[in-house]
Amino acid sequence: GNSVTQMEGPVTLSEEAFLTINCTYTATGYPSLFWYVQYPGEGLQLLLKATKADDKGSNKGFEATYRKETTSFHLEKGSVQVSDSAVYFCALTSNRDDKIIFGKGTRLHILP
Amino acid sequence: GAVVSQHPSWVICKSGTSVKIECRSLDFQATTMFWYRQFPKQSLMLMATSNEGSKATYEQGVEKDKFLINHASLTLSTLTVTSAHPEDSSFYICSARDRGNLYTGELFFGEGSRLTVL
Repeated sequence: GNSVTQMEGPVTLSEEAFLTINCTYTATGYPSLFWYVQYPGEGLQLLLKATKADDKGSNKGFEATYRKETTSFHLEKGSVQVSDSAVYFCALTSNRDDKIIFGKGTRLHILP
Repeated sequence: GAVVSQHPSWVICKSGTSVKIECRSLDFQATTMFWYRQFPKQSLMLMATSNEGSKATYEQGVEKDKFLINHASLTLSTLTVTSAHPEDSSFYICSARDRGNLYTGELFFGEGSRLTVL
C-alpha cells in the first residue's frame, strides 16, 4: 500500500541555517505530494504541493521537488527563522482514491 | 484559502459520557470530510471518511459504534465519541475537500479538538 517515510526529529537548528527534511514515498500510480505544517496549538496548513514528476512546490521560502526516480519529496529552506519552528508532515494522495497518507511528522526547533 | 472550523476546540468530560465534535466548511461545500486522530508526538491516523448523505467509511480497527459520524449537509460533519474513556483522550482533526474544486488533492484542515476524558 501507499506510505510516506520522513526523517525523525526533533531537528534543532540555529536561525539562518539551511534546512533539509527528507521524505520518501511508496505509491501505486501517480500520487500528488504535499508538505503540511502544524504550528504549536494549531491545526494543519498546507505548505506546498506538487502534482507530477519534476514539479517544484514552493511557499514562504520552502521548496520541495517531486523526484519520481528516487521517490522523494525533500523539504528545503535556505535560511530558517525562529517562526519556522513547527511540526512538518510529508503526505501523498493517490489518484485512485481520496485518502491522504501522512508521514509521522518532523518537529523542527529553530534557536535564535 | 478555504476555511474549515471545528468546535469545540477543547473539551473535558467524565468517563462514560458522550462528546460531539463539529466540523464545518465555512466558505465551500464538501461532499467528503475526513476525521483524523493524533496522538502526542505522532502522526495523524485516518479514522473515517464522512460522505454527505451516506454512511461513513471507517478504517480498519476503528469502532464505528464508538465513533459515530454524521454528515448531514454539505457543510457539516459531526463526530460523536460515545461512552468516552480515558484512552479516547486525543486530538481529533477534521479535513474537507472543496467539491467545487474537483480533484486538486488539497485538503483543508480544521483547528483540531482536544478531548480529555477524566
